[in-house]
Amino acid sequence: DAGVTQSPTHLIKTRGQQVTLRCSPKSGHDTVSWYQQALGQGPQFIFQYYEEEERQRGNFPDRFSGHQFPNYSSELNVNALLLGDSALYLCASSLFDGDSYNEQFFGPGTRLTVL
Amino acid sequence: DAKTTQPNSMESNEEEPVHLPCNHSTISGTDYIHWYRQLPSQGPEYVIHGLTSNVNNRMASLAIAEDRKSSTLILHRATLRDAAVYYCIHKAAGNKLTFGGGTRVLVKP
Repeated sequence: DAGVTQSPTHLIKTRGQQVTLRCSPKSGHDTVSWYQQALGQGPQFIFQYYEEEERQRGNFPDRFSGHQFPNYSSELNVNALLLGDSALYLCASSLFDGDSYNEQFFGPGTRLTVL
Repeated sequence: DAKTTQPNSMESNEEEPVHLPCNHSTISGTDYIHWYRQLPSQGPEYVIHGLTSNVNNRMASLAIAEDRKSSTLILHRATLRDAAVYYCIHKAAGNKLTFGGGTRVLVKP
């Protein structure tokens, strides 16, 4: 059983460009969450998708958007890239968590560098 | 957002126990306490979670204070592979995890 997979592994972009990151959840999972992790800091929640809708959102600007497909995979899009968007982007999958105890499974992340 | 307080770093010798404290004084009655760890160059991985009672699994034990305002993650015999950043999180319903700075654990051979 493959775990959470993310692509690409690394990405280099320049300021102002747009980027799309992809995530395939663990088999059987229906919920995908995205996190941004700056160097030396803990991951910060961006948003969560369930049933192809954004269910929760963290404190990130509208430049960050996402999508979930019928097969539960997900994309994270970032427009008008800034230098400060350079980070490790983590995808986590889980079952929808109405009772707050389901564990999340994280992928290895996509390292984005903005020049 | 839910906030926890952890020491920045801790050191341990291999084969010895490690006790990682966490304060979560703002926890509500229905929040679960979760611990995740992040090994170098990897995404975080789940370690353990609990609500009120102490919990054990193959990776660690979780001791929860009676007032639930603090907890301790216990690694019974640290190995070099346990060197990681350990995050304590108290989590409400819904999948959002609010990570703090975590505790960096160094295991010395």
